Amino acid sequence: GDSVTQMEGPVTLSEEAFLTINCTYTATGYPSLFWYVQYPGEGLQLLLKATKADDKGSNKGFEATYRKETTSFHLEKGSVQVSDSAVYFCALSDPRGGGGADGLTFGKGTHLIIQP
Amino acid sequence: GAGVSQSPSNKVTEKGKDVELRCDPISGHTALYWYRQSLGQGLEFLIYFQGNSAPDKSGLPSDRFSAERTGGSVSTLTIQRTQQEDSAVYLCASSPGRGPYEQYFGPGTRLTVT
Repeated sequence: GDSVTQMEGPVTLSEEAFLTINCTYTATGYPSLFWYVQYPGEGLQLLLKATKADDKGSNKGFEATYRKETTSFHLEKGSVQVSDSAVYFCALSDPRGGGGADGLTFGKGTHLIIQP
Repeated sequence: GAGVSQSPSNKVTEKGKDVELRCDPISGHTALYWYRQSLGQGLEFLIYFQGNSAPDKSGLPSDRFSAERTGGSVSTLTIQRTQQEDSAVYLCASSPGRGPYEQYFGPGTRLTVT
């Protein structure tokens, strides 16, 4: 079945550092890829998405590029802020996949801590 | 406009009792999803509704779990004879339809089985 693998952390960085959170996936079909974020005490919300190979999703200074050749969707940000502290989830939606095809398959989540 | 709402926000129940969790999706959203978030398993897909029908029930962990949706709107997730391993946060999400749309998540129901 489909799966998503991401570094679990916690990842601790200083403010203004460069951020990369790795995400790789396996899928039966041609998935769409997402990054969701969960801020402390809040619900999950979509950060960015990409629906086909070579697409780049971007939002709030974050970006990720859909790389089919390496089955990856790494999240990057050039200069992180304390307010970016949250748990980040990589996810895929694979309509041609097997069970759970219409739901999102999530990675385990990466806890990001930004220190001032 | 109003987002996805879930009730109750917290539920503590004794092992063996039945519980019902409710989800009110965003008005007009035809697709509705249930997920479970637990420390050991992360975020797991449970079930998906398109309108009132559930074409994909593959994520339900056992036959103690069931869900229904009425009027293309409110959905109820029922867990019968609860077990301690059912303790988790149950999340509901809705989207405008099938496909790579954004799923809008509710705040979740934290279920604790004692």
